[in-house]
Amino acid sequence: QSALTQPPSVSGSPGQSVTISCTGISSDVGSYNRVSWYQQSPGTAPKLMIYEVSNRPSGSGVPDRFSGSKSGNTASLTISGLQAEDEADYYCSSYTSSTTWVFGGGTKLTVL
Amino acid sequence: EVQLVESGGGLLQPGGSLRLSCAASGFTFTTSWIHWVRQAPGKGLVWVSHINNDGTKITYADSVRGRFTISRDNAKNMVYLQMNSLRAEDTAVYYCARDAGYSFWAWGQGTLVTVSS
Repeated sequence: QSALTQPPSVSGSPGQSVTISCTGISSDVGSYNRVSWYQQSPGTAPKLMIYEVSNRPSGSGVPDRFSGSKSGNTASLTISGLQAEDEADYYCSSYTSSTTWVFGGGTKLTVL
Repeated sequence: EVQLVESGGGLLQPGGSLRLSCAASGFTFTTSWIHWVRQAPGKGLVWVSHINNDGTKITYADSVRGRFTISRDNAKNMVYLQMNSLRAEDTAVYYCARDAGYSFWAWGQGTLVTVSS
């Protein structure tokens, strides 16, 4: 149950786009479209942003600036039109063939 | 409104036991899977355990298997995490989360467990 691999940090200026990668193995990210992404601001609980690789939860207020994709063992979260309010920690998660779940180590997004 | 409220956290010594509770409301609890996820201070999220809607399917992370037990009471809309043989590395905020489509759709505010001598 090794954690998925995310870059520790990414940054971008307002209006730019950033992409956060999430690399797993063939028995988790590579096998299932059960990859999800979470945003966590300091002192708060995580919030679901993307589920099943590329779907935004309806009625949750997640803007369409957030999008997800997957290729092989790597999933990606792209945030376009970066805004100051997007500054937070982001985590990916995947279901695994062991019928368990695994998170990535997290990525700190800084809006310059 | 979907709500998950954790309780039961506290300070205890290594080797001790604690039971966390998760009270659910605002959704059909009897058809929902529930997870426990923890976060050590300043660290990332770590999945701990999952229970399906009727308690017949339960899974654990390797780090807690044999020490933690998840259970649920569908009559009370409650999920529990019994934690035994606690270690310093179990120190974390523990969240319960509702599963939907193998994702963690809704989260509680968390309860802090501190294991220290």
